[in-house]
Amino acid sequence: DGGITQSPKYLFRKEGQNVTLSCEQNLNHDAMYWYRQDPGQGLRLIYYSQIVNDFQKGDIAEGYSVSREKKESFPLTVTSAQKNPTAFYLCASSTGTDQNQPQHFGDGTRLSIL
Amino acid sequence: GNSVTQMEGPVTLSEEAFLTINCTYTATGYPSLFWYVQYPGEGLQLLLKATKADDKGSNKGFEATYRKETTSFHLEKGSVQVSDSAVYFCALSDYFDGGFKTIFGAGTRLFVKA
Repeated sequence: DGGITQSPKYLFRKEGQNVTLSCEQNLNHDAMYWYRQDPGQGLRLIYYSQIVNDFQKGDIAEGYSVSREKKESFPLTVTSAQKNPTAFYLCASSTGTDQNQPQHFGDGTRLSIL
Repeated sequence: GNSVTQMEGPVTLSEEAFLTINCTYTATGYPSLFWYVQYPGEGLQLLLKATKADDKGSNKGFEATYRKETTSFHLEKGSVQVSDSAVYFCALSDYFDGGFKTIFGAGTRLFVKA
């Protein structure tokens, strides 16, 4: 079955440490997205990529970095510069060529501070 | 700019009750509208969509009509079940800032009691 796989499901970060969240899709989608979800809030866009080797900052990019070396993969690094990283992180993908097409989501990674 | 506003939760209903979750939007263009559902510990799933004015999206007994004159896309279901307990997100998709993007509302948590 086609879909999006996020790993790990739970992740713990120590002070001063960078951590990387994995996102892989086999839907052949061009566009991929990273969102942050805090309790009781909606989704806020961190970064998005419309094509391989290109990505743009979203609304809350500070303290995060991404890469898009392959169409299938869009890893997110939470750096030590992100002072409040505890949240639920969601990766999504879409065709990116049509506003009528929905986004497809992974099951998320929950990041906590040790 | 583009934004989505939906009613605050939580909404608590008894089984077989009628459900309405209000959603209004502002948009500079002609967006497509979506409802997504999120079950505990999971990502978002598409529930239904409407791509132009007066379209009605429907799925699993849920319905929503794209009302351009009132800029609304309210979610309704005639008889809710315990299994409908989840968080519901209204969203719009449009082309702006150089790409197709989706703006999500804050989400409305629904509890259905047996």
